[in-house]
Amino acid sequence: GAGVSQSPRYKVAKRGQDVALRCDPISGHVSLFWYQQALGQGPEFLTYFQNEAQLDKSGLPSDRFFAERPEGSVSTLKIQRTQQEDSAVYLCASSLAAGRLGNEQFFGPGTRLTVL
Amino acid sequence: AQSVTQLGSHVSVSEGALVLLRCNYSSSVPPYLFWYVQYPNQGLQLLLKYTSAATLVKGINGFEAEFKKSETSFHLTKPSAHMSDAAEYFCAVSYNSGGYQKVTFGTGTKLQVIP
Repeated sequence: GAGVSQSPRYKVAKRGQDVALRCDPISGHVSLFWYQQALGQGPEFLTYFQNEAQLDKSGLPSDRFFAERPEGSVSTLKIQRTQQEDSAVYLCASSLAAGRLGNEQFFGPGTRLTVL
Repeated sequence: AQSVTQLGSHVSVSEGALVLLRCNYSSSVPPYLFWYVQYPNQGLQLLLKYTSAATLVKGINGFEAEFKKSETSFHLTKPSAHMSDAAEYFCAVSYNSGGYQKVTFGTGTKLQVIP
């Protein structure tokens, strides 16, 4: 079946522009995560959705970052007034259940954002 | 707090040699541990996971990892490296955070395989 897809795969933005990154999780997956992966680093947690509810946004770096999942499937991560330090790969992951430890997260290919 | 530390940001091995990638964890409760692999310009793919069943865990592509509580380690090994193993490897720990599973990743180890 189809995996997690993300679009666009690459995005170049001028400093100050707004960007929107899309994630299509695996159909039926309850949990959806966004991560930020800076160059040479591991993924860092940004936010978590259980269906349409955003249960944890503790990893969002500033109020310029906003995420939504209005119908419990597709999610969008929006970054307003982008800054150079926002340049990173943004990864989306989904998993089938919510609270079970040991659940595998399935990752999309990521969106590489470059802010000039 | 749960965390993992990966020793060595870059590891080089010859084709056919043993692969050993090191990961130590810190956890106040029995951990759930993972190894993921990331190929260039791709997302992360699960190699294997430890969920407190067997301490020796076998994964895909001939990789395995052993959970050693006394050493708080979960090192990844493969007896014979292939050129196709060249990638970045991430160790991760998951824990319950307010009713859902949160995952913390290490900083990654880039594996180079020399022909």
